[in-house]
Amino acid sequence: LAKTTQPISMDSYEGQEVNITCSHNNIATNDYITWYQQFPSQGPRFIIQGYKTKVTNEVASLFIPADRKSSTLSLPRVSLSDTAVYYCLVGDGAAGNKLTFGGGTRVLVKP
Amino acid sequence: DTAVSQTPKYLVTQMGNDKSIKCEQNLGHDTMYWYKQDSKKFLKIMFSYNNKELIINETVPNRFSPKSPDKAHLNLHINSLELGDSAVYFCASSQLGSGANVLTFGAGSRLTVL
Repeated sequence: LAKTTQPISMDSYEGQEVNITCSHNNIATNDYITWYQQFPSQGPRFIIQGYKTKVTNEVASLFIPADRKSSTLSLPRVSLSDTAVYYCLVGDGAAGNKLTFGGGTRVLVKP
Repeated sequence: DTAVSQTPKYLVTQMGNDKSIKCEQNLGHDTMYWYKQDSKKFLKIMFSYNNKELIINETVPNRFSPKSPDKAHLNLHINSLELGDSAVYFCASSQLGSGANVLTFGAGSRLTVL
């Protein structure tokens, strides 16, 4: 199972773009890359998923280079409410896939 | 309407007691999970069921016993509770396939063992 490595924490200011990079050197051919957001006292919430190149939705963008050994979650123009822990996961979606969350990245958005 | 609901949200009990946490999902998903989040905020998978069949059973003490009466429900029973069991337990569900990495989590059940 591919292991992921993320920075422990990041600080930002309102209105800035936040980019969180996740390393997954052992990603397998069939693995997808998925990002979650977790607020205090809540369960993680799906943000975005991708396989290669770039994926964008109303919340974030996900950039995946050709070798797929890393991925970058981009949060445009963050607000205070984006303060949360962000987790990167990789997995192939098959039965028995032990989707393992790493330590996550604590993002603190300051006024 | 809540997609994945867990009860109770808070549970405070004494060491040695037995307790259960219930989980229900109304998303029509075929796979359900139990995760444990400790004080350091690491989320660790404990169990996973697919269509009522146990498919993931991580290294969890035998005191923890999941039960899935149908694919919309996954309950967790814990016997002889210990201090180290104090954590937040999250139930989640997904649909196997390309969306299988897309888990929908419940709000969590915070268990405190005194």
